[in-house]
Amino acid sequence: AQSVTQPDIHITVSEGASLELRCNYSYGATPYLFWYVQSPGQGLQLLLKYFSGDTLVQGIKGFEAEFKRSQSSFNLRKPSVHWSDAAEYFCAVDLYSGAGSYQLTFGKGTKLSVIP
Amino acid sequence: SAVISQKPSRDICQRGTSLTIQCQVDSQVTMMFWYRQQPGQSLTLIATANQGSEATYESGFVIDKFPISRPNLTFSTLTVSNMSPEDSSIYLCSVHTSMGALGGYTFGSGTRLTVV
Repeated sequence: AQSVTQPDIHITVSEGASLELRCNYSYGATPYLFWYVQSPGQGLQLLLKYFSGDTLVQGIKGFEAEFKRSQSSFNLRKPSVHWSDAAEYFCAVDLYSGAGSYQLTFGKGTKLSVIP
Repeated sequence: SAVISQKPSRDICQRGTSLTIQCQVDSQVTMMFWYRQQPGQSLTLIATANQGSEATYESGFVIDKFPISRPNLTFSTLTVSNMSPEDSSIYLCSVHTSMGALGGYTFGSGTRLTVV
């Protein structure tokens, strides 16, 4: 069955340090890929998405992600973390069947804590 | 991208009662989705609501417990019926817009439900 795996439940980094959040998917074809951020008590905000083309995707708030087909991965990165980046991050996969049927499947999320 | 207004933002309800959550979109969209996010968990799709047809429920969710209305292309409601403490969750609506540079999924800010 198709799945999305975020192997890190909780990550703590110091402010100014670099960040990489891992995401792997299991799917027969290349899906559409998303990263969302959820601040405490808030809804989900889209950081970036990959549909096709350039495998390095730039998003908002200085985030980027790289799609690696050979590794079935779509890891999120940021060169320098800010305290305001503390939040829960969700990787999601759109298992678009091509027949008008969409379904967004989420990973379990990675909680990011930032040390001042 | 679409802008979603979801209300109420939070509520505390007595067990055995029902709560209806509303989701208003600022543009016409074909597909709307309802998700549940249990405490400390990821998002789980409850159902897909298309205008003019019955909602499609995911495994583990039934219409009697989570009736959905979709009277037009900009509005939907989700009712959580006969609530129990296990229904305490964040409920989010989402819409799908066309794929492409500006497409993808947009989420409402969520309804935080506590059942006592």
